[in-house]
Amino acid sequence: DAKTTQPNSMESNEEEPVHLPCNHSTISGTDYIHWYRQLPSQGPEYVIHGLTSNVNNRMASLAIAEDRKSSTLILHRATLRDAAVYYCIPYTSGTYKYIFGTGTRLKVLA
Amino acid sequence: SQTIHQWPATLVQPVGSPLSLECTVEGTSNPNLYWYRQAAGRGLQLLFYSVGIGQISSEVPQNLSASRPQDRQFILSSKKLLLSDSGFYLCASTLGDPYEQYFGPGTRLTVT
Repeated sequence: DAKTTQPNSMESNEEEPVHLPCNHSTISGTDYIHWYRQLPSQGPEYVIHGLTSNVNNRMASLAIAEDRKSSTLILHRATLRDAAVYYCIPYTSGTYKYIFGTGTRLKVLA
Repeated sequence: SQTIHQWPATLVQPVGSPLSLECTVEGTSNPNLYWYRQAAGRGLQLLFYSVGIGQISSEVPQNLSASRPQDRQFILSSKKLLLSDSGFYLCASTLGDPYEQYFGPGTRLTVT
């Protein structure tokens, strides 16, 4: 399984962009990069995933480095509801296993 | 879209008692199903996953077991609970590979 490194915590001001980094230097060429977030007292929620190209959806953008050893989840305008733990998960297709690390706890300041 | 049901929402059980947690999925067929546990203040630990009826893969040796008697039903069991089994138990489902996982509301288990 590929290992990930994420900051333990980050802070952002409300309505400002947030860039959440993830290092996954041992990722294989066919591993997808998934991001989930977990709000307090809830189960995780899917945010976005990608393979090589940058991806956008209504929640966030995912920027994947050209060498694929790192990626950045971008929240374009943080709100108080975005305060959560964000998990970066390399996923190997066909293994069916999603291994959650410790994630980054994002605090959004009003 | 799919909906995942888990019950009960909270549970307090004495050490040595049995456990049965049930998860059912609506709105899809032939999902991949998962059980996770989250100890207080910790990350999610994958316990079991299943890619079909009767097919169970275990990730962590422990006194828990899982079964999938029907396509959209996943059950987590224990014959004798330990204090260390306390935690937030989450069921999840994926529609395919490598698509997103959907999580249920979870069961918060306290073993006393």
